[in-house]
Amino acid sequence: QQQVKQSPQSLIVQKGGISIINCAYENTAFDYFPWYQQFPGKGPALLIAIRPDVSEKKEGRFTISFNKSAKQFSLHIMDSQPGDSATYFCAASISLQGAQKLVFGQGTRLTINP
Amino acid sequence: EAGVTQSPTHLIKTRGQQATLRCSPISGHTSVYWYQQALGLGLQFLLWYDEGEERNRGNFPPRFSGRQFPNYSSELNVNALELEDSALYLCASSLETGRSTGELFFGEGSRLTVL
Repeated sequence: QQQVKQSPQSLIVQKGGISIINCAYENTAFDYFPWYQQFPGKGPALLIAIRPDVSEKKEGRFTISFNKSAKQFSLHIMDSQPGDSATYFCAASISLQGAQKLVFGQGTRLTINP
Repeated sequence: EAGVTQSPTHLIKTRGQQATLRCSPISGHTSVYWYQQALGLGLQFLLWYDEGEERNRGNFPPRFSGRQFPNYSSELNVNALELEDSALYLCASSLETGRSTGELFFGEGSRLTVL
């Protein structure tokens, strides 16, 4: 019940296209849904995040769509660029014992072809 | 402001040996998390320390252990190393407010290779 399932495992998109990565969760106690971006040789870094009381959040070319009833959320990257090539992790956060626990999806390796 | 720092960057050990990895969180952060990232796999939660205490651990055997020091830095120890322990070990820190923010600040990791 603490799992977050992410798909696809890998994704190839042409420059200028839309990249879409999907995640699903079971535990309705999760109360924050961040996305992390990881470049080779680097640690993951927070990209964008959403709370379940909001259905969509947009920051530049990155948009999170959230469907609370379906327990699904997705990351859309508009006008994808070669510099967006990275591994993307969705996550779900729950507050436990006064601190947060973050559960990650398995990751999606995104490649943007020039 | 310095980010999360980890050492060593790379570590090569042989089976049966012990490995010690170190992490310094961002100044002011009291929580430290350890994750294992094996090749082709996602981020597997290992350990979580807050205010010097182990708050939670993932589904890993007891030979994975650690501690958090009074200055909030942390150490991860892996005993009796096995080949499958080869992975990137990531440390992250956060500022705990009692409310989920989803934001962990990760270091660049320590790559452990077990031969």
